[in-house]
Amino acid sequence: DTGVSQDPRHKITKRGQNVTFRCDPISEHNRLYWYRQTLGQGPEFLTYFQNEAQLEKSRLLSDRFSAERPKGSFSTLEIQRTEQGDSAMYLCASSPGGSNTEAFFGQGTRLTVV
Amino acid sequence: KQEVTQIPAALSVPEGENLVLNCSFTDSAIYNLQWFRQDPGKGLTSLLLIQSSQREQTSGRLNASLDKSSGRSTLYIAASQPGDSATYLCAVNSGYSTLTFGKGTMLLVSP
Repeated sequence: DTGVSQDPRHKITKRGQNVTFRCDPISEHNRLYWYRQTLGQGPEFLTYFQNEAQLEKSRLLSDRFSAERPKGSFSTLEIQRTEQGDSAMYLCASSPGGSNTEAFFGQGTRLTVV
Repeated sequence: KQEVTQIPAALSVPEGENLVLNCSFTDSAIYNLQWFRQDPGKGLTSLLLIQSSQREQTSGRLNASLDKSSGRSTLYIAASQPGDSATYLCAVNSGYSTLTFGKGTMLLVSP
């Protein structure tokens, strides 16, 4: 297992279009997280899954954002009607179960909305 | 609400120097603290994880300490090298395994 994998690595889209990102966690990690990072800032939490259940969502996750993890393995993050303010790095992380375990991050998807 | 502050925001040192990066957090009720490295345009690489019951962790030239009661952590890098140039992020886990990050310290080690 080579770690957390994200696809695509880069995405350029026109304002108003929909985009979808994919994250494949480390196998057997039952927790999966999405974060967003803008330039010069630390990552900010968006949402997290325990297996297929979405257990927490940040207020940053507007109605245009939706995340799924249908079989408790890979996850997708969709942004509808993209806005320029959505331009950011979207990071996925996974961890084993438990509240005090280490999180491992993927390489991120860089979204640019033009 | 947990807030994490990292000082300094940027640091430039000549190769070979020992250096300390600082991280402070406002709520001491944490499960653990993680230090990450981020290269430009890349994802995060986990460097060290300190559980709330621990005082320090070491990995190679890196040593991280934690003083939970005062809400502080430091990352010590010994004998810095140009390859250490990156942004270093501190993150605290206050529960549910979601992390609160600082803005990072951008480190430049010159040959």
